[in-house]
Amino acid sequence: DTGVSQNPRHKITKRGQNVTFRCDPISEHNRLYWYRQTLGQGPEFLTYFQNEAQLEKSRLLSDRFSAERPKGSFSTLEIQRTEQGDSAMYLCASTLPGISPLHFGNGTRLTVT
Amino acid sequence: DAKTTQPPSMDCAEGRAANLPCNHSTISGNEYVYWYRQIHSQGPQYIIHGLKNNETNEMASLIITEDRKSSTLILPHATLRDTAVYYCIVRDTGANSKLTFGKGITLSVRP
Repeated sequence: DTGVSQNPRHKITKRGQNVTFRCDPISEHNRLYWYRQTLGQGPEFLTYFQNEAQLEKSRLLSDRFSAERPKGSFSTLEIQRTEQGDSAMYLCASTLPGISPLHFGNGTRLTVT
Repeated sequence: DAKTTQPPSMDCAEGRAANLPCNHSTISGNEYVYWYRQIHSQGPQYIIHGLKNNETNEMASLIITEDRKSSTLILPHATLRDTAVYYCIVRDTGANSKLTFGKGITLSVRP
């Protein structure tokens, strides 16, 4: 399978703990996006990378959130001091420049207890 | 904010065509219309996109009105597996080219 891969698929953590998610994009896709989705809503944009450069961050990305893409390939999204409101599906997508469509992974579902 | 409006839900009978409408009256000249769908617990799946001409692929057809203010996604022979949330998205393919999702339309295909 050469699609976008996200790990883990599910994560349950206690409030106050730190969590990290990983996204492996489609090979050679230089653009990578993180989204968050809560129940009944469409995905909401969090941040965007072109190669290793983080070029845009949504105001949804509080200072407890940090994303990296150190070598322009895989990316990680870390949430520090998790809160119950962080419970959501975290989606990663990748694409090439231009009109090429974004391809999404199946997400990491985070539950904060 | 999403630049599209879609009805919240619709249904159709299995084997019949499903016509999903979308309004995007403020679309600008360099913006494309993209359609995605999402089945429960999966990531959004790309279906089709277009600028101004009608488009067809193995999954669906996209009909865009001449003034580009609305479009229709057509699933020619709906199956139960097509039950999903369908998102119509207007995308500026310059800059960061992100997708801005609305709430989508829930399509229920009945046997």
